Amino acid sequence: NAGVTQTPKFRVLKTGQSMTLLCAQDMNHEYMYWYRQDPGMGLRLIHYSVGEGTTAKGEVPDGYNVSRLKKQNFLLGLESAAPSQTSVYFCASSYSRGRNTEAFFGQGTRLTVV
Amino acid sequence: GENVEQHPSTLSVQEGDSAVIKCTYSDSASNYFPWYKQELGKRPQLIIDIRSNVGEKKDQRIAVTLNKTAKHFSLHITETQPEDSAVYFCAAIPELKAAGNKLTFGGGTRVLVKP
Repeated sequence: NAGVTQTPKFRVLKTGQSMTLLCAQDMNHEYMYWYRQDPGMGLRLIHYSVGEGTTAKGEVPDGYNVSRLKKQNFLLGLESAAPSQTSVYFCASSYSRGRNTEAFFGQGTRLTVV
Repeated sequence: GENVEQHPSTLSVQEGDSAVIKCTYSDSASNYFPWYKQELGKRPQLIIDIRSNVGEKKDQRIAVTLNKTAKHFSLHITETQPEDSAVYFCAAIPELKAAGNKLTFGGGTRVLVKP
């Protein structure tokens, strides 16, 4: 099993450019999340999804959009990148309540906006 | 929503000593408390978790304790080794709430084990 796979692993964007980060999981998890991690450690929730076709805002949603058209995929979009969005982005997935709710993380995407 | 605070933000210990990280949470409905370890340049991975029907759980050198009344839980690492150097995150989750598995993490603790 691949688990949780993020694409791409690295990216450099110019200010104002757009891009989409892809997260794919093969564990049939209902829940999927996008986090950003800035130097200094913390994981801040951007958006999450509790199932196919549903999304919700996390702590820091501004400047990002998401879509969950298929259960196994969760896309994070930056419409107009800003230097403040330079970060490492992690996707995670888990089962819903009532089951083993351990969250599994992707390997991360290092994004630099210049 | 849930708010999780974690202390200390950094912790330096001598190899062989114990390390303790503490977290507090705000939502009394939280019933699942996982701990994640993130080594440098890698993804966070679950190392231990506890549910509210248990007060303490051990796995070799690591243990987690939970005080539901006070809304705090702690990670204990005994006989620390250099490979324990990492960033540790706690989380508190109200599993039984709708959308309850929203993972909100504490701010993290950078643990450095000095040889």
